[in-house]
Amino acid sequence: NFMLTQPHSVSESPGKTVTISCTGSSGSIASNYVQWYQQRPGSAPTTVIYEDNQRPSGVPDRFSGSIDSSSNSASLTISGLKTEDEADYYCQSYDSSNEVFGGGTKLTVL
Amino acid sequence: EVQLVESGGGLVKPGGSLRLSCAASGFTFSNAWMSWVRQAPGKGLEWVGRIKSKTDGGTTDYAAPVKGRFTISRDDSKNTLYLQMNSLKTEDTAVYYCTTGPIPITMIVVVCPWGQGTLVTVSS
Repeated sequence: NFMLTQPHSVSESPGKTVTISCTGSSGSIASNYVQWYQQRPGSAPTTVIYEDNQRPSGVPDRFSGSIDSSSNSASLTISGLKTEDEADYYCQSYDSSNEVFGGGTKLTVL
Repeated sequence: EVQLVESGGGLVKPGGSLRLSCAASGFTFSNAWMSWVRQAPGKGLEWVGRIKSKTDGGTTDYAAPVKGRFTISRDDSKNTLYLQMNSLKTEDTAVYYCTTGPIPITMIVVVCPWGQGTLVTVSS
C-alpha cells in the first residue's frame, strides 16, 4: 500500500522559513498531484496548496509547494513564519483510485 | 460564497446506521467530485471515499476500512452529498468532513472548500 511519510513535528522561530517534507513509499510522487492542508486546533482543515504548487485564493504567497523526484518527496515551505501558522499540516496524494494522507506534521512557531 | 455544510452526526450504537448529509452552495455542485474525510479524536485525517460527477460516470471509491459498509451518493437536484454508514464500529467514531477539489470562481479566484465537520460517536 502506498504511504506518505511526514515528520511528526517541526519548530521554528517567527520570521524564519520552515520546510515540511512528505515522502512517498513507492512509485513516483510526481505521477499524481499533491495537496497540503492546514488544520489549526479545534478547526476544520483548509487547503493551502493544491496540484503540487498552486495556492487557493486567500492563501498568502508565504506558502509554497514543490516536488523533488530524486527523493520521491513533496515539500511545503512557509517563509516569514507567523505565530498564526502554528498548526498541523497534512500532505495528500493518490494511490490508484484512492486518496492517501500523510500522518501530519505539527508546526510549532516559537 | 462557496459553502459546504455537514449534518446528521450523533451518537449511535455499534452495529447501527447513520446518514450524513453535506449541503453545497456557491458553485456548480453537479460538476464536482466530492469526498468524505474523517478524523478520529486526536488522530490525523483519513480519506473515507469519493463520488465522481455524473458526467464523469458518477462512480464511487472507498477506503478499505469502510468498503462494503459505507455508501456515498449525491442528489444534484438538491446540491447535496450523502454518506450512508451501516454496521458502524467504535473505530468509526470521528468528525466527518466533506470536501472537494479546486473550484474556479473567476479567472483568477480559486477556492478549495471544506465543511465544518459533523461528529459521529459510536458507543454502547
